[in-house]
This record gives sequence, structure tokens and C-alpha cells, in this order.
Amino acid sequence: DVKVTQSSRYLVKRTGEKVFLECVQDMDHENMFWYRQDPGLGLRLIYFSYDVKMKEKGDIPEGYSVSREKKERFSLILESASTNQTSMYLCASSPVRRLADFYNEQFFGPGTRLTVL
Amino acid sequence: TQLLEQSPQFLSIQEGENLTVYCNSSSVFSSLQWYRQEPGEGPVLLVTVVTGGEVKKLKRLTFQFGDARKDSSLHITAAQPGDTGLYLCAGDPGSQGNLIFGKGTKLSVKP
Repeated sequence: DVKVTQSSRYLVKRTGEKVFLECVQDMDHENMFWYRQDPGLGLRLIYFSYDVKMKEKGDIPEGYSVSREKKERFSLILESASTNQTSMYLCASSPVRRLADFYNEQFFGPGTRLTVL
Repeated sequence: TQLLEQSPQFLSIQEGENLTVYCNSSSVFSSLQWYRQEPGEGPVLLVTVVTGGEVKKLKRLTFQFGDARKDSSLHITAAQPGDTGLYLCAGDPGSQGNLIFGKGTKLSVKP
């Protein structure tokens, strides 16, 4: 089974702190994604990566950065946390589109509930 | 910008009732996925529909992909409290990697 793990289930930080959220997948997937999920707004894509050291902005990248130094690990960084970044953060991975029966399903981690005070 | 409109946003029903959740778009998708998310957890894939008009069944859950591959529905027969959760649809526009997610339907099934 595909397993995506996230470093923390719950995190409480103070305004202005630098925050690191780690995500690791064990299925050798090329694609990795960071989303945030807020009530009424659904899942919003922050950043994604199709390969090591590669990153692309999603729909809401402001206030965030990412790092992908190894294929299995994708980190989300909040350079200076603010209260409006309080949210549920979800990491996901998927294999590259090369198989005939691959339909671009994403596999999600359990999420990190971040509270910024 | 491609959008997936999901309805209803909230649904509260009694055990044993039937329900349908809809996912609509003006865009064509190469495939469409349904996920279920329990509180405090990440979404888990339920099914992927690929062919226009396709119907897939997963026990009491029936998924249908529209003929034009622009819309989909999820029907649950005789809902049970264990069906409670957030149901998300996601369309694959065919470009590399990214999915388009609906905002979700929060289902509550009361015993």
C-alpha cells in the first residue's frame, strides 16, 4: 500500500515563527503536492513538484515555500507564520503518467492541523 | 479556469435513507475520482471513472460518469452512520499531475 506520512498531526506555533512541515512517501512517486483545506473553501493547491529539486506554484503560494531535495520528501515552509495560515495542511503524491491504467489518483497523508497564535 | 461544482454542500439524513451527491463542470475531464475524508484524516480514494456513461458500484455506493465526461454523481443506498464523512470529487483535465477538486459534500448519517 502507498504510504504518505506527515511529520506532525497537530502543531501550534506563534506569529512570526518559521514553520517546517515534512512529507514523506514510500512508493517512489514522482509527483508531490501540498494543499491547505479550510471549511467552505475546499482543497487549495499551494505548491507541487514533478521531480527532485523541481517546484511549481499552485493557486495560493504566497507566504509559503517548498523544498524537494530527495524524491521521497517534500517540505512546506512557512517563512513567517501568520494567523491566517491556521489550517489543515495535506500532502499528496502520485506516480507520473506513464502507465496505461494510471488515472492520476493522488494518495494523501493524514494531514497536519496547524494553529498559529 | 476549470471548476468542479459539487452539491449539496451539506447533507444530514437518517440511517436507511438514500442520497445522491452531484459534481458538475463545463469542462471535459479525462477521468474523475471520488474521495472520502473522515474528520482529522486525509482523503482516501474510493473510485475512478474513466469512460463517458460509465457506472461503477462499490457495495452500497454507485458512481456514474456523465456521457460527455463533464459531470458525475455518487448515489448511496440505505446510508449507514459509517458513511459519515466529507465526499470530494476530483477531475483530471489531462494535463500533467494536477487534479481539479470540488469543495466537498459533508454527509452526516444519524442512527
